[in-house]
This record gives sequence, structure tokens and C-alpha cells, in this order.
Amino acid sequence: DTGVSQDPRHKITKRGQNVTFRCDPISEHNRLYWYRQTLGQGPEFLTYFQNEAQLEKSRLLSDRFSAERPKGSFSTLEIQRTEQGDSAMYLCASSLSGGGGGSNQPQHFGDGTRLSIL
Amino acid sequence: AQSVAQPEDQVNVAEGNPLTVKCTYSVSGNPYLFWYVQYPNRGLQFLLKYITGDNLVKGSYGFEAEFNKSQTSFHLKKPSARVSDSAWYFCAVSPTGGGNKLTFGTGTQLKVEL
Repeated sequence: DTGVSQDPRHKITKRGQNVTFRCDPISEHNRLYWYRQTLGQGPEFLTYFQNEAQLEKSRLLSDRFSAERPKGSFSTLEIQRTEQGDSAMYLCASSLSGGGGGSNQPQHFGDGTRLSIL
Repeated sequence: AQSVAQPEDQVNVAEGNPLTVKCTYSVSGNPYLFWYVQYPNRGLQFLLKYITGDNLVKGSYGFEAEFNKSQTSFHLKKPSARVSDSAWYFCAVSPTGGGNKLTFGTGTQLKVEL
């Protein structure tokens, strides 16, 4: 059973640099989510895709953040001009779409990319 | 807006004793409720969900949770704790009828001691 895969697992960069993370979801899952988790907190929603369409973005997702899912399979999350406050674990999750328009299908998470800004 | 509260930062229990991790929620309409477990430097693992129906939901690794609509609670339980259950536990809610993001609580660290 191939789960959600994220790359890299760890990223250390200097303030002001751009970084890009990749997420490969479970193959049959059409929904893909990005969350951010800081130490001692629960994950916070950033954005989600259904197939290749980005359907919702959090106010947390500033102009420096951009996410893509060009062919409805893998996704990338790019952070431009990184800041100290961007240091966090970035989690990707995927799921099937549920009936009725809500999110009744469990989201399956990858192990995350830990970003450290020097 | 939806929210989740996990009132205990940490729960300590002896191995073999029952455990409860508390969760209350606030959401418009009927909720979808989830519990996840997180081990160090790992992502979240799905344990169980409440969508509709029976208020007692059974999940992975012997965990269960009880949905109480009047108290807006969804407490996680296990009859007999194991040392390997020591981890962080996160409760999450999503509204029915639209909206797909999960809103998580701040988490509860469970420590099971010999």
C-alpha cells in the first residue's frame, strides 16, 4: 500500500530564499490538501485541490505561497522570499471525494516536510 | 466558523488502565468528526471517524470514540492502554454540506507508563 509521499523530508534554507516541496498523493485519491503545523499545535489548513482545480485557499496562504497540481496527480507548494515565521512542518494529505459535498472521507497524511529558516 | 477544543495538553495513564482523551467542537450544522494520532517526526494517522448513525464509533488499534450531540463532544477512549499508545492525539471537525478542510484541535499528548 503506497501512502502519501512528501519530498524533501527536511529543508534548511536562509531567509529570503525560495523553496519548493513536492507531494505525491495516494494514486486513486482525487483530493489533495496542504496543511502547516508548528510545534505544539494542530495542523492548520492552507489549501486544497480536487483533481487539478484549486478550490479553497486559507487566509494563511499569503502572496508568497503558491500551490499547483498541474495534472491532478502530484502537487507542489512553493514559498518565495522565505521568512522566519515560515519555519514549520508542511503536511500534505489526500482523500477520495465524499458524497454530499462535504468531507466525510478520511484524509491520509504524508510524513511532512520540515522547513527551517536560518 | 468551526473550532475544536482539546482541554488537556497532556494525559498520563498507567498501562492496562482505561484512557480518555477529550474533545469538544463547534460547527454550523451536523459535523463530521475525526481522530488522528501523530508519532514523533511523522504525519498524522487516521484512527476513526463519526459521520452519522451509531454514537459509538470503533476504530484502529482498539480505540473508540463516543459522539454526544447535546454536549458537542467526541471523546476518544480505549479500555486498556498500552505503552505504544504514547503519542499526540488530534481531534478534527469538518462541516457537512460543503467545505472540505479539517479544523484541528491543539492536540493532547498521551503518556502511558508501565
